[in-house]
Amino acid sequence: AQTIHQWPVAEIKAVGSPLSLGCTIKGKSSPNLYWYWQATGGTLQQLFYSITVGQVESVVQLNLSASRPKDDQFILSTEKLLLSHSGFYLCAWSPGVDTQYFGPGTRLLVL
Amino acid sequence: AQSVTQPDARVTVSEGASLQLRCKYSYSATPYLFWYVQYPRQGLQLLLKYYSGDPVVQGVNGFEAEFSKSNSSFHLRKASVHWSDSAVYFCAVSIGTGANTGKLTFGHGTILRVHP
Repeated sequence: AQTIHQWPVAEIKAVGSPLSLGCTIKGKSSPNLYWYWQATGGTLQQLFYSITVGQVESVVQLNLSASRPKDDQFILSTEKLLLSHSGFYLCAWSPGVDTQYFGPGTRLLVL
Repeated sequence: AQSVTQPDARVTVSEGASLQLRCKYSYSATPYLFWYVQYPRQGLQLLLKYYSGDPVVQGVNGFEAEFSKSNSSFHLRKASVHWSDSAVYFCAVSIGTGANTGKLTFGHGTILRVHP
């Protein structure tokens, strides 16, 4: 069975500080990977997607970047956090043109 | 551009009552349709999905949804709710073609509260 893990569970960071969030998928080779952002009480917005290692496409510009250094790993990062980056970050995977399965999420508070 | 509308921001029902959560989409073709549930401080869990065929699809925990092409809708139903069904429910659509085949567009969600 496939499992998806996100780290850290939660972060409190200062404005202007760097950020790195991680996501790992086990039990599935070459998955499609996605990053979503959810404002508190809001809907989900897709940020990035990746079809293969080393290739990441940006969907929305939020002063964030993403990388896929390994087949099973997806990283979301920024060098300078903004207050508007606060929210819930969700990683998801899919086998292709199919259902997306979400991780447990990382809650980020920027002060 | 495709869009998803969940017209009810909040729904409150009593335990044991029937439930319908509404979802309408706007897209020229029939997209892939999904319902997800989000419990407090958790990620999303898939309830059910529709790709084609029988317009009524069964999901987990007694949920079902009915696709209507004429109404561009995909309403979620449950015959008898339990207090543990209290959560936020998201309807989502996917084009299924193009460069970003996995681009899910979500509605704003419906907060369901079930009175015990």
